[in-house]
Amino acid sequence: RKEVEQDPGPFNVPEGATVAFNCTYSNSASQSFFWYRQDCRKEPKLLMSVYSSGNEDGRFTAQLNRASQYISLLIRDSKLSDSATYLCPGNTPLVFGKGTRLSVIA
Amino acid sequence: EAQVTQNPRYLITVTGKKLTVTCSQNMNHEYMSWYRQDPGLGLRQIYYSMNVEVTDKGDVPEGYKVSRKEKRNFPLILESPSPNQTSLYFCASGNYEQYFGPGTRLTVT
Repeated sequence: RKEVEQDPGPFNVPEGATVAFNCTYSNSASQSFFWYRQDCRKEPKLLMSVYSSGNEDGRFTAQLNRASQYISLLIRDSKLSDSATYLCPGNTPLVFGKGTRLSVIA
Repeated sequence: EAQVTQNPRYLITVTGKKLTVTCSQNMNHEYMSWYRQDPGLGLRQIYYSMNVEVTDKGDVPEGYKVSRKEKRNFPLILESPSPNQTSLYFCASGNYEQYFGPGTRLTVT
């Protein structure tokens, strides 16, 4: 069951670049949306919640488009430390896609 | 401190020797789940539990069992492990956003 679809990447971007990922979901009844970050061989950690009105946290902006059923994550002024895999789960029961791998290059 | 703990963190075992990976959370969450992660395949859900005594199969339940006798614990049981169960396992809990344990790296030889 593919509740979520993400471009797996990898996205290789230079430091300072702006990069955006999308995550499409199939369950129109989904109510809660989140972005997670996973570093290599570590557990996924919540990056930010995605609200209907959008959500901004420093260099990160998350938005929800219910009509087209996708959420997006925008990272401005990329840092080397942003290199990770970014995941968006579908609704409960939670199903994660493969994630989008980002590599920020010096 | 709110956390999800898993034990053991690393385990090397042999085919057929029953093992249990424990998972415990201290946040009073109703929802808990187990995932395995393999290179190129992402996180795949094994089992989940919506509450005590309520468990359901995820996408890859074959070869695994779980139990939810109390809210805080959700052990993963491999009755007869096989080499194709060599993987990195994560337990998670959360009623909305999910909190993951640190992972258990299992090798079955």
